[in-house]
Amino acid sequence: DTGVSQNPRHKITKRGQNVTFRCDPISEHNRLYWYRQTLGQGPEFLTYFQNEAQLEKSRLLSDRFSAERPKGSFSTLEIQRTEQGDSAMYLCASSLGGLAGDTGELFFGEGSRLTVL
Amino acid sequence: GQSLEQPSEVTAVEGAIVQINCTYQTSGFYGLSWYQQHDGGAPTFLSYNGLDGLEETGRFSSFLSRSDSYGYLLLQELQMKDSASYFCAAGAYGGATNKLIFGTGTLLAVQP
Repeated sequence: DTGVSQNPRHKITKRGQNVTFRCDPISEHNRLYWYRQTLGQGPEFLTYFQNEAQLEKSRLLSDRFSAERPKGSFSTLEIQRTEQGDSAMYLCASSLGGLAGDTGELFFGEGSRLTVL
Repeated sequence: GQSLEQPSEVTAVEGAIVQINCTYQTSGFYGLSWYQQHDGGAPTFLSYNGLDGLEETGRFSSFLSRSDSYGYLLLQELQMKDSASYFCAAGAYGGATNKLIFGTGTLLAVQP
């Protein structure tokens, strides 16, 4: 399968613990996004990478959240000192940006569901 | 600010036609996309409008009017498998950033 891969698919943790999610995008895609989705809501933008550069981080994101994309390949999203309000589905998406223009098409992974007890 | 509004729920019967509307207020807007998400699944891309007018892809069509900040998704010949959530998403440029801002979604229930 050459789609976007995320792991773990499910994570249950106690409040105050740190968690890390990994995303492997489609190999030739230079753009990578993290979104968060709660029940009954649309995906909420968290952060955006172009290659290895993190170009935007949502103002809604606290300092407990950090994301990296070393070497412009896979990405990790770490949440420190988790809180119950962090419980959500964390979605990763990738796309290929270039001179051909933007098509509004992102390829999403199946997501990592976080439950904070 | 950045916001998109769409109806929360729509119900229709098999074989019917349904239209899901979306109004947006987005700075740096460059186009409107539509995504489908089945319960527990990933959002999947359906359609994109970069220019005003109608785009047709099989049973699905999407429309954009930039002057009205409005778009819609039209689903024809509804099937039970079309029961899902549908999201409009505005493409937005901002400095070096290119991202999609999603609406809150419309839950479509197709009844036999």
